[in-house]
Amino acid sequence: SSELTQDPAVSVALGQTVRITCQGDSLRSYYASWYQQKPGQAPVLVIYGKNNRPSGIPDRFSGSSSGNTASLTITGAQAEDEADYYCNSRDSSGNHLRVFGGGTKLTVL
Amino acid sequence: EVQLVESGGGLVQPGGSLRLSCAASGFTVSSNYMSWVRQAPGKGLEWVSVIYSGGSTYYADSVKGRFTISRHNSKNTLYLQMNSLRAEDTAVYYCARDRTTFNYYYMDVWGKGTTVTVSS
Repeated sequence: SSELTQDPAVSVALGQTVRITCQGDSLRSYYASWYQQKPGQAPVLVIYGKNNRPSGIPDRFSGSSSGNTASLTITGAQAEDEADYYCNSRDSSGNHLRVFGGGTKLTVL
Repeated sequence: EVQLVESGGGLVQPGGSLRLSCAASGFTVSSNYMSWVRQAPGKGLEWVSVIYSGGSTYYADSVKGRFTISRHNSKNTLYLQMNSLRAEDTAVYYCARDRTTFNYYYMDVWGKGTTVTVSS
């Protein structure tokens, strides 16, 4: 089992806003990073740190954090946002290990 | 252009060994932290190992004692030596540049992956 917990699946209507969450003890001390993965492709970083987007990532993607929960919000979801999303952070043991959440499959209706 | 290209995957019998390579371009492997991440068929991402710029290495419990991460500075290449392979090691293996600050971790450059199948 993962130290970061995500809902397995979330759906959103085209153009609406969706929040994907990630829970874990390590998130009280470390920000999560978020990755988008489409079938047959490598993951792509979409959010890191407090709320940073790499170059080329649309500004409809944003991140936030509160307590032991990190959130990825997509404001005005597009069909091309349909993908698996993973959160990532340091594990809670403090031993330099990283950990991924189990992933959330986003369906855009 | 910043790029990572993995190679070395294939079919191997249980108990066998394999060495994966990850060739970097556009940046220097030895000046960065570098991670391996794997994804079993139909499953999520699993972090495997990291090597720090100073040479320290760390492993997930699932591979500790069996896998070794290393790099060749002049070839600008990252490696993952995998020994005592098990069926559950079957996965696509990605290398990634691993960035770390005092309060967040992220992987900003990923390769396309190489597939390892452990089966008799």
